[in-house]
Amino acid sequence: GNSVTQMEGPVTLSEEAFLTINCTYTATGYPSLFWYVQYPGEGLQLLLKATKADDKGSNKGFEATYRKETTSFHLEKGSVQVSDSAVYFCALSGGIVAGGTSYGKLTFGQGTILTVHP
Amino acid sequence: DSGVTQTPKHLITATGQRVTLRCSPRSGDLSVYWYQQSLDQGLQFLIQYYNGEERAKGNILERFSAQQFPDLHSELNLSSLELGDSALYFCASSVEGLVETQYFGPGTRLLVL
Repeated sequence: GNSVTQMEGPVTLSEEAFLTINCTYTATGYPSLFWYVQYPGEGLQLLLKATKADDKGSNKGFEATYRKETTSFHLEKGSVQVSDSAVYFCALSGGIVAGGTSYGKLTFGQGTILTVHP
Repeated sequence: DSGVTQTPKHLITATGQRVTLRCSPRSGDLSVYWYQQSLDQGLQFLIQYYNGEERAKGNILERFSAQQFPDLHSELNLSSLELGDSALYFCASSVEGLVETQYFGPGTRLLVL
């Protein structure tokens, strides 16, 4: 079945540092890939997405490129801010699963806690 | 604000009890998803409804059930509660229930004592 693996956290950075959070996936077919962010005490918000190979999703300075050859969707930001402190989830939807279509259900990675210090 | 509402925000109950969690999707969204977030299992898909019909099932226990009503709001019923059911339960909605952006509610935090 579908699965997503994220780099182990937590990640602690100083403000203006470069961020990379690794994400790899296993899926049959052509899933769509997402990064969601969860701020303390809140629900998940979509950060960015990519729906086909070589697509780059971007939002708020964050970027991720859908790499089918390496089954990866790594999240990057050139200069993090204290306000970026949150939990980041890589997720996939779609592809082909046993028993029929997976419809829209999301399969999440374990989440990476990011803390940015001033 | 995602437009998805969930009630209650917090719920404290005892083992063996039954609770109902409620979700109202964004205006115009026909599909509702339920997810469970716990420290040991992470974020897991439970069940999906589309326009009142069950569409997909994930790792949902038999003690749990859900439904989506004609006005499209959804309820997740958890019965015979155990300590291990303590978790954050999220509802999400999307337009078609296919591979598209889902919008998440703020969650209901359930504590079983």
